[in-house]
Amino acid sequence: KQEVTQIPAALSVPEGENLVLNCSFTDSAIYNLQWFRQDPGKGLTSLLLIQSSQREQTSGRLNASLDKSSGRSTLYIAASQPGDSATYLCAVSPGEKLTFGTGTRLTIIP
Amino acid sequence: DAGVIQSPRHEVTEMGQEVTLRCKPISGHNSLFWYRQTMMRGLELLIYFNNNVPIDDSGMPEDRFSAKMPNASFSTLKIQPSEPRDSAVYFCASSSRQGAPTDTQYFGPGTRLTVL
Repeated sequence: KQEVTQIPAALSVPEGENLVLNCSFTDSAIYNLQWFRQDPGKGLTSLLLIQSSQREQTSGRLNASLDKSSGRSTLYIAASQPGDSATYLCAVSPGEKLTFGTGTRLTIIP
Repeated sequence: DAGVIQSPRHEVTEMGQEVTLRCKPISGHNSLFWYRQTMMRGLELLIYFNNNVPIDDSGMPEDRFSAKMPNASFSTLKIQPSEPRDSAVYFCASSSRQGAPTDTQYFGPGTRLTVL
């Protein structure tokens, strides 16, 4: 059974700093990995999707990497802003079913 | 596009009552997913449909839970009878397969269910 872990569960950093969120998974037979953002009381918003054949994806200040062989992914956020405060979840899939991690709650301190 | 629409946004009910949650996927999407989110278990897939057909319901916790998708623009998740441990946020998501096994899923705002 696929297990997805995100450490740390919570992270606070001063505004302007670069930061890295981590995601690890136990079964490397995945089709893709996605990073989502969840704001309090809201649904999830997809940030980046990395196909298994890719090593990274970039969108603005966000960069996600994928190392299937080691079962790891990172989400790099450059020049953090207070608006980046949210819970970030990664999810892996062998197909249409997503298995989610428990998330990292990120707080950017102004 | 209005995005995925869920109703109601909040539901408070008493144990034993029937609860029906509703979802309207994004127009043109052919896959629909129901998730449950709790503090203890995180986000779990309950069931998903492709072209209105249930593909995998292995995440449905008990026979008290049932889901239907009578047409491409509407789905329901029903709990009968409800129990306090069903209290959670229930999300609906949709995606457009476009020939690929997985595409980005778009989530609705969720229904917060409280069973007293």
